[in-house]
Amino acid sequence: GENVEQHPSTLSVQEGDSAVIKCTYSDSASNYFPWYKQELGKRPQLIIDIRSNVGEKKDQRIAVTLNKTAKHFSLHITETQPEDSAVYFCAAPDTGTASKLTFGTGTRLQVTL
Amino acid sequence: DAGVIQSPRHEVTEMGQEVTLRCKPISGHNSLFWYRQTMMRGLELLIYFNNNVPIDDSGMPEDRFSAKMPNASFSTLKIQPSEPRDSAVYFCASSHLFPYYEQYFGPGTRLTVT
Repeated sequence: GENVEQHPSTLSVQEGDSAVIKCTYSDSASNYFPWYKQELGKRPQLIIDIRSNVGEKKDQRIAVTLNKTAKHFSLHITETQPEDSAVYFCAAPDTGTASKLTFGTGTRLQVTL
Repeated sequence: DAGVIQSPRHEVTEMGQEVTLRCKPISGHNSLFWYRQTMMRGLELLIYFNNNVPIDDSGMPEDRFSAKMPNASFSTLKIQPSEPRDSAVYFCASSHLFPYYEQYFGPGTRLTVT
């Protein structure tokens, strides 16, 4: 099955700075890489995803990059704001199944004023 | 679409009681997942179904846990008997099958067993 590792486990940045969270995966056949944001007391919500036919995808202040050769992908948040404070999870599909995602262990991002 | 619906949102019960959590997936989704989230263990996959059939229940912690999906629009997770260590937030999520892996989570059920 898929193995997903996520770093760092915690990240503190000042408002306005950039934040980068990195994940590696083990299954070279994986072709879909989502990122979820979970605010305190809320459900995980999909914020951006990328498929293996592109190397980068942007949506306003967030972007995801993918390096299939190295089997890693990253979430980039620019101009961070206090509302970006949350736990972020990466995931990759278990290609031996038709639907299962393997999640990383999460990164707690704290944006300080 | 209303999204994934879970009930109850909060459940407080005494040790030894039976607990049933309910989930209605997004209409048209073929896969349904039950997760448990705690501070200590993070987000754990308990069991998932494809087309109402249980595919992998290796994450179910003990025989006290059971899950069913009698039709495409309803699933239950049952704990009998419940124990204090079962206290957690239980999420249900749904998705289409390959190659559409996007999972959408319900609001969760916060279970407290005293």
